[in-house]
Amino acid sequence: DTEVTQTPKHLVMGMTNKKSLKCEQHMGHRAMYWYKQKAKKPPELMFVYSYEKLSINESVPSRFSPECPNSSLLNLHLHALQPEDSALYLCASSQEVGSYGYTFGSGTRLTVV
Amino acid sequence: DAKTTQPTSMDCAEGRAANLPCNHSTISGNEYVYWYRQIHSQGPQYIIHGLKNNETNEMASLIITEDRKSSTLILPHATLRDTAVYYCIVRVGGGGKLIFGQGTELSVKP
Repeated sequence: DTEVTQTPKHLVMGMTNKKSLKCEQHMGHRAMYWYKQKAKKPPELMFVYSYEKLSINESVPSRFSPECPNSSLLNLHLHALQPEDSALYLCASSQEVGSYGYTFGSGTRLTVV
Repeated sequence: DAKTTQPTSMDCAEGRAANLPCNHSTISGNEYVYWYRQIHSQGPQYIIHGLKNNETNEMASLIITEDRKSSTLILPHATLRDTAVYYCIVRVGGGGKLIFGQGTELSVKP
């Protein structure tokens, strides 16, 4: 298995809702990442997990809460989002944090209404 | 990490070589050059990386100038499926964040 799987592919949520994005990989990678991508812009790094521990938080607002329950799974919990948080959320993984090749999922397209 | 500069967009005829330039004049000795691409509605895909020697794999070739201040990604026989945004990224080896710049939008035309 050489893929990163993200679910759901599309999500519409209200500003008072709580939802979660899920990311899964079975390549034995020990580093996992969340990126956010707005339309026509490059991906922006949000969080980095190394060996299931949060190692980098790029000053992301607390309404985004990451979780890494095990080495294969990465979640992003969403609460009280704003319409400007609508974007494509990409998950990626790599062997280690310093590894050269990241494998990206196809993303979850989030719309906040 | 050093900053990169890429043209906003480029066109290439199908079957011809696509040469995508990247300037990274402030690159440090321990920084690698990486290339990723993102096809519409998909996640980015790793293509190739290098430190100072030219590199080739099944997808592309990477030519890095001797002073390492610029590089060129070469897709030898571009197809319509190579239409994508190509990102040149400079990153410290063995660590460092993978930070995407604006990229080059390559359109391969029949």
